[in-house]
Amino acid sequence: RKEVEQDPGPFNVPEGATVAFNCTYSNSASQSFFWYRQDCRKEPKLLMSVYSSGNEDGRFTAQLNRACQYISLLIRDSKLSDSATYLCVVGYNNNDMRFGAGTRLTVKP
Amino acid sequence: NAGVTQTPKFRVLKTGQSMTLLCAQDMNHEYMYWYRQDPGMGLRLIHYSVGEGTTAKGEVPDGYNVSRLKKQNFLLGLESAAPSQTSVYFCASSYSGANVLTFGAGSRLTVL
Repeated sequence: RKEVEQDPGPFNVPEGATVAFNCTYSNSASQSFFWYRQDCRKEPKLLMSVYSSGNEDGRFTAQLNRACQYISLLIRDSKLSDSATYLCVVGYNNNDMRFGAGTRLTVKP
Repeated sequence: NAGVTQTPKFRVLKTGQSMTLLCAQDMNHEYMYWYRQDPGMGLRLIHYSVGEGTTAKGEVPDGYNVSRLKKQNFLLGLESAAPSQTSVYFCASSYSGANVLTFGAGSRLTVL
């Protein structure tokens, strides 16, 4: 079983739609949580960190559920430019960051 | 401000050849990492370094060696390349462990 699991998608949504991604992790000692965005043939870039109380950045909202060991990302009012692969990242000690395989999103006009 | 720079961007090797990937960062980060990314697998950690002169194994270290002689540079070596090492390699750095990573643009390696 992978340590960090994501639905690979693809998610195909129209512009303006709301879309949600989930990610589950297996190590209960995980300490830090992030969502990264990766465009085709580019490097991953930080989208947002995920905090225990949940956090929002514009159209993006991240939630953490430690009891069920999952994190989520909600994108409201999807834009064409949101099309990318979204990577769930979990850190469980100071030097180990585990990545999910990514969820691909395509926003269509 | 260049951030994290990887060279080369592309390379084709024959089985058994050796090569070195260079990663350089100008952010004065202590931590540096080498990952490989394969379809459907996500990024997997090969080796990492928590400071100049120190290196440690990650999740998939076999077939690779690394060196961190200077704080700003982290080298990844393949002594005898195998087709299973065909992948996209990403270098990353961070100010501290388990924290926000800044990635290089990637190096696409094909081993024939």
